[in-house]
Amino acid sequence: IVLTQSPATLSLSPGERATLSCRASQNVSSYLVWYRQKPGQAPRLLIYDASNRATGIPARFSGSGSGTDFTLTISSLEPEDFAVYYCQQRANWPTFGGGTQVEIK
Amino acid sequence: EVQLVQSGGRVVRPGGSLRLSCAVSGFTFDNHQMSWVRQAPGKGLEWVAGINWNGGNTGYGDSVKGRFTISRDNAKNSLYLQMNSLRVEDTALYYCARSIGSFHFGGFEDYWGQGTLVTVSS
Repeated sequence: IVLTQSPATLSLSPGERATLSCRASQNVSSYLVWYRQKPGQAPRLLIYDASNRATGIPARFSGSGSGTDFTLTISSLEPEDFAVYYCQQRANWPTFGGGTQVEIK
Repeated sequence: EVQLVQSGGRVVRPGGSLRLSCAVSGFTFDNHQMSWVRQAPGKGLEWVAGINWNGGNTGYGDSVKGRFTISRDNAKNSLYLQMNSLRVEDTALYYCARSIGSFHFGGFEDYWGQGTLVTVSS
């Protein structure tokens, strides 16, 4: 299952809203996960089963979607949110999308 | 405290072999599935392999199938990745990770090791 993330790069300012997209090549139901990766660090789990926030993840992160189209929304960007975001499908042996870099404008 | 401590990464020649290790503590190892994920320099994440709690079910990414073998020793709280017929394109930072739930119907990776660098070069 191929995951396509868009855009590749998102240039925004702190406090702005970020909307990231992940599209699957076939139906993955709600088995979609989002991770954030800061430079030099391992990925961190944000959202699982498309819309469930992981433990300790702030409410500014929300996920939506099902089937083939998914969205990660960050309602108001904090400095630590400028990083790379990956989606991962769990409908079959896992695969990752190519990532979206959220950079400071 | 959950810890995953990795070892084994080094420089290896194309066609060579290498075994990575991941020693875990802070949770009941044999209650969890485990995964290996890699990241080539400057590139995105790639899921490499996964194994269920007792080693009876394993899965691999297409790029490593037939060359890599994931295994575990629950008595030693350790996860392994045997890598054979290594290629230049296998050069990456390899992470071990604890997997929650199923590989096929949901689930996710919630704790990650520090990563170990494998460089395949002549």
